[in-house]
Amino acid sequence: GNSVTQMEGPVTLSEEAFLTINCTYTATGYPSLFWYVQYPGEGLQLLLKATKADDKGSNKGFEATYRKETTSFHLEKGSVQVSDSAVYFCALSDTGTGFQKLVFGTGTRLLVSP
Amino acid sequence: DTAVSQTPKYLVTQMGNDKSIKCEQNLGHDTMYWYKQDSKKFLKIMFSYNNKELIINETVPNRFSPKSPDKAHLNLHINSLELGDSAVYFCASSHTAGRTEAFFGQGTRLTVV
Repeated sequence: GNSVTQMEGPVTLSEEAFLTINCTYTATGYPSLFWYVQYPGEGLQLLLKATKADDKGSNKGFEATYRKETTSFHLEKGSVQVSDSAVYFCALSDTGTGFQKLVFGTGTRLLVSP
Repeated sequence: DTAVSQTPKYLVTQMGNDKSIKCEQNLGHDTMYWYKQDSKKFLKIMFSYNNKELIINETVPNRFSPKSPDKAHLNLHINSLELGDSAVYFCASSHTAGRTEAFFGQGTRLTVV
């Protein structure tokens, strides 16, 4: 079945460092790809999305490009802030049954220190 | 103005009890979901409803019974709670048209003692 693989965390960075969180996927067809963020004690919020190959999603300084040839959707940010500390989930939309469900990676915790 | 709201936020109960979690969305979506997040933050879909009809049931024990009185509500009832049911349960909703994002509630942290 469809699946998402994310790098293990935690990722520990100093403020203003460059961030990359790797995400690769296995899917039949052409899923949409998403990054969600979960701040402590809160629900998941959509961070960005891409619906087709070569699309770049971006939001709040984060960006990710849908790479069909490498089946990847890596999350990047040029300069992280302490407030970016959270758990980040890569996900794909699986419509194998004709109805959608989101399939999530295991999540990557990001810790940013001042 | 909360888009997807679920209650309660915290639920502590004893083994063997029956409990319910309620979810409501005001986004006009016709598909709703229940996801379970375990202690390692892993998220797994449990159920999905489309226009009040069950469309996804991911081999969840029969003790879990979702109910959708209308397309804006999806409740989760759990019978005979077990220690292993302790987790955070998230409700979500989306449009039926495929490959779109889902919007999540704040979660219900269930602790079974």
